Amino acid sequence: DAKTTQPPSMDCAEGRAANLPCNHSTISGNEYVYWYRQIHSQGPQYIIHGLKNNETNEMASLIITEDRKSSTLILPHATLRDTAVYYCIALLYGGSQGNLIFGKGTKLSVKP
Amino acid sequence: DTAVSQTPKYLVTQMGNDKSIKCEQNLGHDTMYWYKQDSKKFLKIMFSYNNKELIINETVPNRFSPKSPDKAHLNLHINSLELGDSAVYFCASSPRSSGRDGAKNIQYFGAGTRLSVL
Repeated sequence: DAKTTQPPSMDCAEGRAANLPCNHSTISGNEYVYWYRQIHSQGPQYIIHGLKNNETNEMASLIITEDRKSSTLILPHATLRDTAVYYCIALLYGGSQGNLIFGKGTKLSVKP
Repeated sequence: DTAVSQTPKYLVTQMGNDKSIKCEQNLGHDTMYWYKQDSKKFLKIMFSYNNKELIINETVPNRFSPKSPDKAHLNLHINSLELGDSAVYFCASSPRSSGRDGAKNIQYFGAGTRLSVL
């Protein structure tokens, strides 16, 4: 699975959009990009995933560059409850294993 | 109803003891996982089971033995507990672990079991 690189921390004002970048320059054509987050002391929570196209769900939007070498997770109106560590993970599909490899993630602090 | 439930939530025990952590999922998923999160907050997979069969076994001491009585349960038994085993253990499940449908690989996590070995 491709390695991903994320900034260690980011701040965002409450009510503003939070844009979390992820670099995955070695991603292969059959690897999805998944985003999870972990709110303090809780289990990781799935947010969104994508392959080539931009995706949107009730939690967030995922923008993937055309060359697929990077992506951005967008929380459109961040709240204090969005303070968490956000993980960007590249996962191979079609193989025999689906294990997620968590890096250090980005610690997002939403401030009032 | 909690989708992935783990018991106990907290476990405090002495070195050398044997303990088990239970995990149950009511999502009808085929695949279940155990992860360990250490004091530095790194989250690392330990085991993965697909329909009661082991498919991933990362470098984990033999003292850790997963047991899957059915596909809705994956318990973790730990023998001869050591200080370094202190961590938070997370159970997760997914519809299945492979395939081209990205949604099938989405993992749902339990709330974690905080193990403290004294």
